[in-house]
Amino acid sequence: AQSVTQLDSQVPVFEEAPVELRCNYSSSVSVYLFWYVQYPNQGLQLLLKYLSGSTLVKGINGFEAEFNKSQTSFHLRKPSVHISDTAEYFCAVSRSGNTGKLIFGQGTTLQVKP
Amino acid sequence: DGGITQSPKYLFRKEGQNVTLSCEQNLNHDAMYWYRQDPGQGLRLIYYSQIVNDFQKGDIAEGYSVSREKKESFPLTVTSAQKNPTAFYLCASSIERTGTDTQYFGPGTRLTVL
Repeated sequence: AQSVTQLDSQVPVFEEAPVELRCNYSSSVSVYLFWYVQYPNQGLQLLLKYLSGSTLVKGINGFEAEFNKSQTSFHLRKPSVHISDTAEYFCAVSRSGNTGKLIFGQGTTLQVKP
Repeated sequence: DGGITQSPKYLFRKEGQNVTLSCEQNLNHDAMYWYRQDPGQGLRLIYYSQIVNDFQKGDIAEGYSVSREKKESFPLTVTSAQKNPTAFYLCASSIERTGTDTQYFGPGTRLTVL
């Protein structure tokens, strides 16, 4: 069975500082990995996804993530955050093969302070 | 604009009542999903559908029902059998139901039981 663990429930950071949101997954088969962002009282929006190829994936709004198969991690990073990045971030995994089921982590709230 | 609409945005239910949440998409996507979001628990899959007139239970289907009579519509009924229905409900769609497809989310419906 697959599972996703987001290691921090809340991450406070000052504006213009770098940030890393951590995500670890467990799976016995090949997986695809996703990061979604959710602004208050809204739906989720895809930031980036890893399907194959280069392990460094660049997404929208200056975010990037690195797939590390040996450590089963997919941490999200941004070199300089803005107030507008304050939101909840979800890591998710799906399995290779004919299934669209996404398994989500518990979410990390990024709080950017001025 | 193409996208997913959910209505209503807020819904209040008395105990013992059934309520139906609407989800419509004009993206011409085959697959549609319903998720439940509770604080600190991420998103959990309720039901999903790959084609018209076909749907499958997700991880927490008890107390919920769905229909898929049209490609663009996937309504969710929260029945009186759902013991703790207060939550944020998100509908999503994807081109197909494969592990690589991006799921696009609606803005959500917040259901509160009075």
